Amino acid sequence: QKEVEQDPGPLSVPEGAIVSLNCTYSNSAFQYFMWYRQYSRKGPELLMYTYSSGNKEDGRFTAQVDKSSKYISLFIRDSQPSDSATYLCAMEETSGSRLTFGEGTQLTVNP
Amino acid sequence: DADVTQTPRNRITKTGKRIMLECSQTKGHDRMYWYRQDPGLGLRLIYYSFDVKDINKGEISDGYSVSRQAQAKFSLSLESAIPNQTALYFCATSVYHGDNEQFFGPGTRLTVL
Repeated sequence: QKEVEQDPGPLSVPEGAIVSLNCTYSNSAFQYFMWYRQYSRKGPELLMYTYSSGNKEDGRFTAQVDKSSKYISLFIRDSQPSDSATYLCAMEETSGSRLTFGEGTQLTVNP
Repeated sequence: DADVTQTPRNRITKTGKRIMLECSQTKGHDRMYWYRQDPGLGLRLIYYSFDVKDINKGEISDGYSVSRQAQAKFSLSLESAIPNQTALYFCATSVYHGDNEQFFGPGTRLTVL
């Protein structure tokens, strides 16, 4: 069983939709949670970083962590075609240690 | 210029050949990583280095070796390439300052025939 599970999609939504992306994990030692965005033919880039349980908002993006359920989410409001990319969750036990990635969810936002 | 560069960007080789992938960074980061990305498996860590004298195996190091020639350079070698090493390879860098944001290069697409 993978330590981090992520539905690979693909997910296709109309412009303006609210998108929900999710990951579950099995390692209760994970404390730091990240979302990376990867455009086609590019390397991933960090989108959101959160510590422990709770919510974090940055513009149209909200990251949620529920450690009791071992479940993290990324919400995208008012989605745009420029949001079309693969979104990877990542997590680590202690800050600065090794990252464990989900396999990524491919998102397409249609104009 | 890009902060993290990888060469070559694409490579096709044959089974049994020795291949080296190179990574250079101008970010001044101490930490460097090599990952491979496969459909259905995501990003998996091959090797990582927290400074020039520190080399560590990752999740899937068998069949690979690395060399940290300088703070800015980290090379990945496939000693005898096999077809299941066909993948997209990424180099990444980071510096510890409260989060572990990793900065990725553009990737090298390797095909082993």
